[in-house]
Amino acid sequence: DTEVTQTPKHLVMGMTNKKSLKCEQHMGHRAMYWYKQKAKKPPELMFVYSYEKLSINESVPSRFSPECPNSSLLNLHLHALQPEDSALYLCASSQDIKGIRAGNTIYFGEGSWLTVV
Amino acid sequence: DAKTTQPPSMDCAEGRAANLPCNHSTISGNEYVYWYRQIHSQGPQYIIHGLKNNETNEMASLIITEDRKSSTLILPHATLRDTAVYYCIVRAQGGSEKLVFGKGTKLTVNP
Repeated sequence: DTEVTQTPKHLVMGMTNKKSLKCEQHMGHRAMYWYKQKAKKPPELMFVYSYEKLSINESVPSRFSPECPNSSLLNLHLHALQPEDSALYLCASSQDIKGIRAGNTIYFGEGSWLTVV
Repeated sequence: DAKTTQPPSMDCAEGRAANLPCNHSTISGNEYVYWYRQIHSQGPQYIIHGLKNNETNEMASLIITEDRKSSTLILPHATLRDTAVYYCIVRAQGGSEKLVFGKGTKLTVNP
């Protein structure tokens, strides 16, 4: 099973709302990632968690707040977003943070489409 | 850090082999070559990866040149469902463990 499950698939939120995106994997992976993808662009890394601790933050605005409550779950809390934050948000996981250096595979979920109105 | 160069787009006839090239002339000896694809509106899908030897799995074959400066992803019998953006990734930029996507190749399989 190489499945990364993301919910919800679609989310529409106002600029004053607070919402969360959720990601789950049961592959025993200890590294989890959030990516953001705008239309017709490649995915861009936002955050990396290693063993439930934040390892990389790609200078993401604080209106995006990641959380890793346990080794299987990854959340992205959203607050006071702007319309330009509308995008596809992708979650991914790998065996550990060595990732592609060690020949590990990073598996992606199907993403959550976010529209900020 | 190694960077990759891919053609922006390619076309292939259904049932024929699709050969997608990737140049990575600055690759280091211990860096893997990964291929992912992204079908419209879906998450990236892992295809294959390799280090030095050619690799084959149920989806594709990966041919890496002896000097490792380039590689080719081969889809042996392309179908319409193989229409996607294909990303060749060698190494995260900045020396960290990040998977960083380039612009990729948009492969269109035509009937």
